[in-house]
Amino acid sequence: KAGVTQTPRYLIKTRGQQVTLSCSPISGHRSVSWYQQTPGQGLQFLFEYFSETQRNKGNFPGRFSGRQFSNSRSEMNVSTLELGDSALYLCASSRADSSSYEQYFGPGTRLTVT
Amino acid sequence: AQSVTQLGSHVSVSEGALVLLRCNYSSSVPPYLFWYVQYPNQGLQLLLKYTSAATLVKGINGFEAEFKKSETSFHLTKPSAHMSDAAEYFCAVSRHHTGRRALTFGSGTRLQVQP
Repeated sequence: KAGVTQTPRYLIKTRGQQVTLSCSPISGHRSVSWYQQTPGQGLQFLFEYFSETQRNKGNFPGRFSGRQFSNSRSEMNVSTLELGDSALYLCASSRADSSSYEQYFGPGTRLTVT
Repeated sequence: AQSVTQLGSHVSVSEGALVLLRCNYSSSVPPYLFWYVQYPNQGLQLLLKYTSAATLVKGINGFEAEFKKSETSFHLTKPSAHMSDAAEYFCAVSRHHTGRRALTFGSGTRLQVQP
């Protein structure tokens, strides 16, 4: 079974621009979560999508948004990029049934903002 | 609120020695706990999970962890370190009772294995 895939793997953007990152979950997984990883703040939860609805959100500004499609694929968008948005963005998928809470992570998208 | 504390940002062991990575959690409800490993330039790989069944949990690559409620701990161990174990390890707790899947991570422990 294929794992979680994320595209692109690397991205360089300029301050003020916006960016969209994509995530394809493991087949059959309906929950997709996004995390930001930085050397200073570590791993932080951004948001979770399930059945095309955001059902959980971390403590990030409104510049960070996401969506999920009917095939469970997800995108996250960051508008008006700031230097501090440089990070590894990780997507994770989960089966979303009550017996399974582990999340499986993709390789991440490394975003550099200059 | 939940939190995870990993004692020791760097741990160095000799090849063949015992690996012990410490994790303490704080949770207002019985937690689900996880250990993940991250190799350079890669995502996180699930090592093992505790979801209120057996308190001693065995994972991949010879790792195991024991849930100790009285100590609020979930330390990761491996009897004999291998060079390939060098990586960063993260302990995480989940708010499972809400049905949601946000993970709260510790700050990570970088394991170095000396030949």
